[in-house]
Amino acid sequence: AQKITQTQPGMFVQEKEAVTLDCTYDTSDPSYGLFWYKQPSSGEMIFLIYQGSYDQQNATEGRYSLNFQKARKSANLVISASQLGDSAMYFCAMRAALGAGGSYIPTFGRGTSLIVHP
Amino acid sequence: DSGVTQTPKHLITATGQRVTLRCSPRSGDLSVYWYQQSLDQGLQFLIQYYNGEERAKGNILERFSAQQFPDLHSELNLSSLELGDSALYFCASSTNPGTGDEQYFGPGTRLTVT
Repeated sequence: AQKITQTQPGMFVQEKEAVTLDCTYDTSDPSYGLFWYKQPSSGEMIFLIYQGSYDQQNATEGRYSLNFQKARKSANLVISASQLGDSAMYFCAMRAALGAGGSYIPTFGRGTSLIVHP
Repeated sequence: DSGVTQTPKHLITATGQRVTLRCSPRSGDLSVYWYQQSLDQGLQFLIQYYNGEERAKGNILERFSAQQFPDLHSELNLSSLELGDSALYFCASSTNPGTGDEQYFGPGTRLTVT
């Protein structure tokens, strides 16, 4: 079975500092994709960053980077130079094939609430 | 703005009723996903369609059904509604159904069952 675990229900960070949000995953499929989404208080889900299981380098998108450690099955999100607008819920997600049928089931973690202090 | 539209934005209905949620994917996207987000269950994948055909099924109740039409818009039908069905329902779209495609989420439909 596929599983995403986010162990930090809430995190606090000072503005302009870096913060790491943890995510561990479990899947038996060798081909999978890992995603991070941001959900502000307004409710929309915003795509942040993607890492493929075969990608050799860690993904980066502006101030977001994904610390991908395949052997440890972890895909932590690093936000550099935090801004007040980064305060939101952050979800780690995975999409992996289930079997010969090739269907892909997305699985989301329970999320981490990040609060950025001025 | 993700380019994915969902209607209605809010819906209040009574137990036992039936509702239909509508989603229009981004232009060019063939794949549509439906999700349910509630406080106790988190974000749960319900079902995926790709170019009109059901592609993957998640934790979707038998009281719920969905379809994707030839113009690629999708509808999620919820029937015999219960209080526990109150949630935020998201639609997302992607170009292809594979592992690497990022999904663009719509603004969601907030369903309240009283």
